[in-house]
Amino acid sequence: SQKIEQNSEALNIQEGKTATLTCNYTNYSPAYLQWYRQDPGRGPVFLLLIRENEKEKRKERLKVTFDTTLKQSLFHITASQPADSATYLCALDMLGNTDKLIFGTGTRLQVFP
Amino acid sequence: DGGITQSPKYLFRKEGQNVTLSCEQNLNHDAMYWYRQDPGQGLRLIYYSQIVNDFQKGDIAEGYSVSREKKESFPLTVTSAQKNPTAFYLCASRTGGISSGNTIYFGEGSWLTVV
Repeated sequence: SQKIEQNSEALNIQEGKTATLTCNYTNYSPAYLQWYRQDPGRGPVFLLLIRENEKEKRKERLKVTFDTTLKQSLFHITASQPADSATYLCALDMLGNTDKLIFGTGTRLQVFP
Repeated sequence: DGGITQSPKYLFRKEGQNVTLSCEQNLNHDAMYWYRQDPGQGLRLIYYSQIVNDFQKGDIAEGYSVSREKKESFPLTVTSAQKNPTAFYLCASRTGGISSGNTIYFGEGSWLTVV
């Protein structure tokens, strides 16, 4: 069956450390993988996109890796801050005759001072 | 300002009633989507539309209906056939063709509660 898995348990880290979130998928062939941030009671907001032929993408304190062999993406926030506390969602953008974006369940990140 | 507007923000539905959630975008996007999010859960796709007058079922379309008569509008009706409609509903849109990799923009969501 098709699955997208993110850490279901919350990730708690200390301010200044690097947060690493994982996104694993099975039986999908995404052309792109995207990461979004969602604050409570709000709609998700786009952060980064990585293509299937890219290994790594960076934007300021954010870094995403994409391993299509392992079927895994890692999302890193360096020098984390309490303001980074939110739920982070990965989304797969499918190949083929479809315009579907499939989301994972999300991982809640809590950065404490 | 450009964006996606959902209304109402909060809605209460009685058993057996149909309710319609509004979604309007002024981003000139071709594709529009409806997702459902339950507490502590991810987003599940209800319906999506790539062009006007056309739409496809997502993973959980039963008990829902949509229309796409105008490019900027994609209303969602939650029918009485939906047995567990209490959830957070998110409308989204994006431009570009199939598998374009373009980012998706979300509205602020609508909370639906059955009373």
